[in-house]
Amino acid sequence: DAGVIQSPRHEVTEMGQEVTLRCKPISGHDYLFWYRQTMMRGLELLIYFNNNVPIDDSGMPEDRFSAKMPNASFSTLKIQPSEPRDSAVYFCASSPVALGYEQYFGPGTRLTVT
Amino acid sequence: DQQVKQNSPSLSVQEGRISILNCDYTNSMFDYFLWYKKYPAEGPTFLISISSIKDKNEDGRFTVFLNKSAKHLSLHIVPSQPGDSAVYFCAASRSGNTPLVFGKGTRLSVIA
Repeated sequence: DAGVIQSPRHEVTEMGQEVTLRCKPISGHDYLFWYRQTMMRGLELLIYFNNNVPIDDSGMPEDRFSAKMPNASFSTLKIQPSEPRDSAVYFCASSPVALGYEQYFGPGTRLTVT
Repeated sequence: DQQVKQNSPSLSVQEGRISILNCDYTNSMFDYFLWYKKYPAEGPTFLISISSIKDKNEDGRFTVFLNKSAKHLSLHIVPSQPGDSAVYFCAASRSGNTPLVFGKGTRLSVIA
């Protein structure tokens, strides 16, 4: 079975540009999570969905960040406009069971904003 | 306010010896704990978990110990192998009904 798929794996963009990160969760998983990893803050939860519905977006840093899940097999995280401090690795994860149990992570997207 | 803390950013151990990674938590409501392992350029992968009804859980070379009174858990790897070199994240939740809260990770280097 394919795991969680993320694209692109690397993204380099200039400040002010729009960035869209994509995620395909594991089929049948009801929960989808977006995380951001930085040296300073570690792995922090940005937003999560249950059955395609956003449940908690309190981790989204600013209004520049938005996430959607139009169907069970696809989600996007958008940053508009991007800033250098958004540079990080962004992970998508999905879970079949429940919120606080084992999650399956994608390989991540390394974002660099210059 | 970090609810899950991994105070050692890095650890270096010789091959064949025991690796002990530590994790402390502040929220007494946490009752389910997990360890994840992360290699460079890959996502974290689940390693082992423990529920608060237990104080120990073992899976091959990996054992997690939980001390609820001290709000402390540890991951033991015996014997350590070079392939264990990775970043290890501790995570916690409340009865599986809240999102996982992760520590910042500990980088383990196993030296041959």
